Amino acid sequence: GNSVTQMEGPVTLSEEAFLTINCTYTATGYPSLFWYVQYPGEGLQLLLKATKADDKGSNKGFEATYRKETTSFHLEKGSVQVSDSAVYFCALPISSGSARQLTFGSGTQLTVLP
Amino acid sequence: DTGVSQDPRHKITKRGQNVTFRCDPISEHNRLYWYRQTLGQGPEFLTYFQNEAQLEKSRLLSDRFSAERPKGSFSTLEIQRTEQGDSAMYLCASSLAKDMNTEAFFGQGTRLTVV
Repeated sequence: GNSVTQMEGPVTLSEEAFLTINCTYTATGYPSLFWYVQYPGEGLQLLLKATKADDKGSNKGFEATYRKETTSFHLEKGSVQVSDSAVYFCALPISSGSARQLTFGSGTQLTVLP
Repeated sequence: DTGVSQDPRHKITKRGQNVTFRCDPISEHNRLYWYRQTLGQGPEFLTYFQNEAQLEKSRLLSDRFSAERPKGSFSTLEIQRTEQGDSAMYLCASSLAKDMNTEAFFGQGTRLTVV
């Protein structure tokens, strides 16, 4: 099945710093790719997605581009805020079948300091 | 409808007891998923329903675990004879089988602690 490898953390940045969290995938075909965010004690929220090669997903200042050539979907933000402190997960469907259950990376803990 | 709802948010139980969790998906969503998340890890798929039919179960779902979705709406996940290794966050997600790109929406999870 498909799999994802995510940059390990934790990552600690000062407010307004530039953020990159790396994610690479192995997949059959070209499945949709997702970034989810998990705030302390909460479930997962979809942050952004991309459905085909060269698509750029964006939300709340975060961006990620679906790169077929490098099989990557790196998450970036130009200027992080304290409120961005959370765990970020890269994900894609386990297979190209119909069930669409997701496989997740191990998560990257981001802490933004004021 | 404000999203996927899970109950309870937290459960502490003694080893050997049975526990049951409930998930109410987004009302028009026909797919429902259960995941388990242990500390410091990403969620791992447990099982999946399309309407009331349980179509897939992970090898993680031992015979002590059972999930139901009797009317194709809410779902329950029961763990019998709990063990300390069952301590985790149990996440429910739902989606609409409209097309291949529809994302799953997650609930806030039920955190289980087995003492």
